[in-house]
Amino acid sequence: GAVVSQHPSRVICKSGTSVKIECRSLDFQATTMFWYRQFPKQSLMLMATSNEGSKATYEQGVEKDKFLINHASLTLSTLTVTSAHPEDSSFYICSARIASGGAHEQYFGPGTRLTVT
Amino acid sequence: GENVEQHPSTLSVQEGDSAVIKCTYSDSASNYFPWYKQELGKRPQLIIDIRSNVGEKKDQRIAVTLNKTAKHFSLHITETQPEDSAVYFCAASLFGNEKLTFGTGTRLTIIP
Repeated sequence: GAVVSQHPSRVICKSGTSVKIECRSLDFQATTMFWYRQFPKQSLMLMATSNEGSKATYEQGVEKDKFLINHASLTLSTLTVTSAHPEDSSFYICSARIASGGAHEQYFGPGTRLTVT
Repeated sequence: GENVEQHPSTLSVQEGDSAVIKCTYSDSASNYFPWYKQELGKRPQLIIDIRSNVGEKKDQRIAVTLNKTAKHFSLHITETQPEDSAVYFCAASLFGNEKLTFGTGTRLTIIP
């Protein structure tokens, strides 16, 4: 149980284009999903908290107009990197929290490696 | 906000020996402390967690201890095996806030 999928696993795009990344909880409902960014050999940096049916909460320094987050259902959240630039190249990972029993456990997706050329 | 420090950044241990990774946190309101294992290019995997109402938790070769007074918690891996080689992250969560603040990670290498 507690499986989170992410799609695509790798994507290469040109500067100026937009890329959408999907995060799905496969066997549980997730009222809250989180989006992280991880640079090589570094820790996970929280970008935003995505709540089903409401606007995402962005961390300080993260541009909400550049990183669009939509949490349309209890099993799906999407991150769209708009007008991508080479500095947006990174490993993007989502996580989902099980929506029951006050549980804190977060389960991570396999990540999406974005390369902007 | 919460700040989590993790040490050491790298750790090499002979197979069969024990490994200890330590983390400190800044906010005394934090009450949930998970540990994640991340292999190269893969997702972080939750390996053990502890809540503030207990001081120690064990799961086979892995244990976590928590000292709320000192605001530090540690991961202990006994009888290490080559497959334990990975990057380990500690994290802390503020009470009533689901956000995890991660430590900087420890690259553990088990020497056969």
